[in-house]
Amino acid sequence: AQSVTQLDSHVSVSEGTPVLLRCNYSSSYSPSLFWYVQHPNKGLQLLLKYTSAATLVKGINGFEAEFKKSETSFHLTKPSAHMSDAAEYFCVVSDRANFGNEKLTFGTGTRLTIIP
Amino acid sequence: DTAVSQTPKYLVTQMGNDKSIKCEQNLGHDTMYWYKQDSKKFLKIMFSYNNKELIINETVPNRFSPKSPDKAHLNLHINSLELGDSAVYFCASSPPSLHEQYFGPGTRLTVT
Repeated sequence: AQSVTQLDSHVSVSEGTPVLLRCNYSSSYSPSLFWYVQHPNKGLQLLLKYTSAATLVKGINGFEAEFKKSETSFHLTKPSAHMSDAAEYFCVVSDRANFGNEKLTFGTGTRLTIIP
Repeated sequence: DTAVSQTPKYLVTQMGNDKSIKCEQNLGHDTMYWYKQDSKKFLKIMFSYNNKELIINETVPNRFSPKSPDKAHLNLHINSLELGDSAVYFCASSPPSLHEQYFGPGTRLTVT
């Protein structure tokens, strides 16, 4: 069984300061991990993914995440927040045992608010 | 150029009605999915189809019936709508060799 826990339901940061959104996962297999972003009233967009290559993954819009197996974590970071980063962020784990028919399990989401 | 499209974007209907949501992807993917996002933003998979065959059915009430006429389309038909069906429904697709899924813009269903 797989699961993902997003440790903060809401994070507020000032514009220009670093962003840290925390995620811990549980998986019986070697996991694939993703971060998706959902802007208000929009669909989900893939920010970045980890699929057993480099543990530090770079995504779009300056975001990156580091896979730490020993800590079962996949935290999302950005050095400097921008107003356009305000959105809901989802950490997602994929069951790679069903390769080709991946079942994604979503975290409960973290709402990121940017303070001007 | 929309990769995954859904119609309609908004759907308001009364309890007991039957409605359908359509999904189409032009990415050439083999696998398509339906997700439900509740009022607390929690996303949960409902179904997945691979080449028109049902692969995942996550204990969804049988009032929900997906239909895949071809691998580019996965429609969701809902019978006897209930208040609890109000949610945003997302369609997604994925290729066989990659793990990420590409999502449509969502359909906001409101049952009154």
